[in-house]
Order: sequence, then C-alpha cells, then structure tokens
Amino acid sequence: GENVEQHPSTLSVQEGDSAVIKCTYSDSASNYFPWYKQELGKRPQLIIDIRSNVGEKKDQRIAVTLNKTAKHFSLHITETQPEDSAVYFCAAPRIQGAQKLVFGQGTRLTINP
Amino acid sequence: DAGITQSPRYKITETGRQVTLMCHQTWSHSYMFWYRQDLGHGLRLIYYSAAADITDKGEVPDGYVVSRSKTENFPLTLESATRSQTSVYFCASSSGHLNEQFFGPGTRLTVL
Repeated sequence: GENVEQHPSTLSVQEGDSAVIKCTYSDSASNYFPWYKQELGKRPQLIIDIRSNVGEKKDQRIAVTLNKTAKHFSLHITETQPEDSAVYFCAAPRIQGAQKLVFGQGTRLTINP
Repeated sequence: DAGITQSPRYKITETGRQVTLMCHQTWSHSYMFWYRQDLGHGLRLIYYSAAADITDKGEVPDGYVVSRSKTENFPLTLESATRSQTSVYFCASSSGHLNEQFFGPGTRLTVL
C-alpha cells in the first residue's frame, strides 16, 4: 500500500512571501495527488489536485508540481495572505487507481503579518 | 457544503457503550468515507463504501462497524467504545473515481 510523508510539520512565513510544502509517496503507480486545506475548527476542503499525466498545475496563487521520478509532489503558495493560515494535507491513492486516499500528517502554515 | 451533514456534532460517552455517528449526503454520491483525525496522525480512513451495500475496510477499522443500506446514509457504529476512540470523526463523499471528496462538518467524540 501507499505511504505518504509530508514536510515540514509546521511552517511560518511573512505575509507576501511564498510557502512550499512537500510530500513524498512510495507507490510509483500512484496517479492522483490532491491537496486539502483545513482551517481551525473546520472541515478539510480540496484546494488543488494533480494527476500523473501532468507535471504542474496552477490556480491563481496556488500551484502543485509533481516529480514522478523522485516520487514527490509539492504545494506552492505565492504572495501569502493571512487567510492562508491553516493546516494543509497532501494525499495519494492507497492502492493504484483506488478512491481510498492515504493522507500525509499535515503542515500547519502560519502567515505572520 | 450543506449537502453533507453529520450528527451529532459533539458526543460524550462512557467506555463500553455503543455509539452511532450519522452521515447524510444529498448529492447521491456513490462513494462515502469515514475518517478519524487525531493530532500527529492526520486523517486516517476507517471504512469506505463504493455504493449501497458495498463497504470495505480502511487503515483503522478495528472496533467500528458500518452499513450502507441507502446511498445517502453511511452510519458509523462504535460497538463498545474505548478511550482510544476519542477523536474527531469526518464523513466524506465523492461522485466518482478519484474525484474530489467533500467532507462533512465533523463529530467530536469523547470517550470517558
């Protein structure tokens, strides 16, 4: 089965700077990599995802990159704002193509004004 | 997000009691999931259902039972609650293969 490692566990950046969170996975056949954001006391919500047939995907200030050779994918947030403060989770399919996801341990991102 | 709801939102129970957490979605999504969230462990899958009457174990199924007699409902039962089952429980649903999972608001369960 899949194993997902997420780093760092906590990240603090100045408002306006960029933040990068990285995840590694073990199953080279994994083909879907979502990122979820969870604000304090709220439910997780999907912010972006990438499938294995592309190397990068962008949505405004958020981007995800995928390196299939190295088996890692990263979340990039540019021009950070206070509302970006949250816990971010990466995930990968537990079994190739399966709907079941394995989540990383989470990264608590704090944006300092 | 009003399409997926959980009840109760908060529950305190005692060791050994049976507890059922409810999950209801109005989208007719095929897939439904139960996760538990604990500090340091992220989200861990308890059980999963691909359709009515089809369920499968996740990473941490021991001590839990699920059923899915109707597409819109996916209750989770703790047959004999233990302190280690104190956690926040999230239900989620998805429309299809590797599609976005929509999470419910969560149930905070405390087992004394």
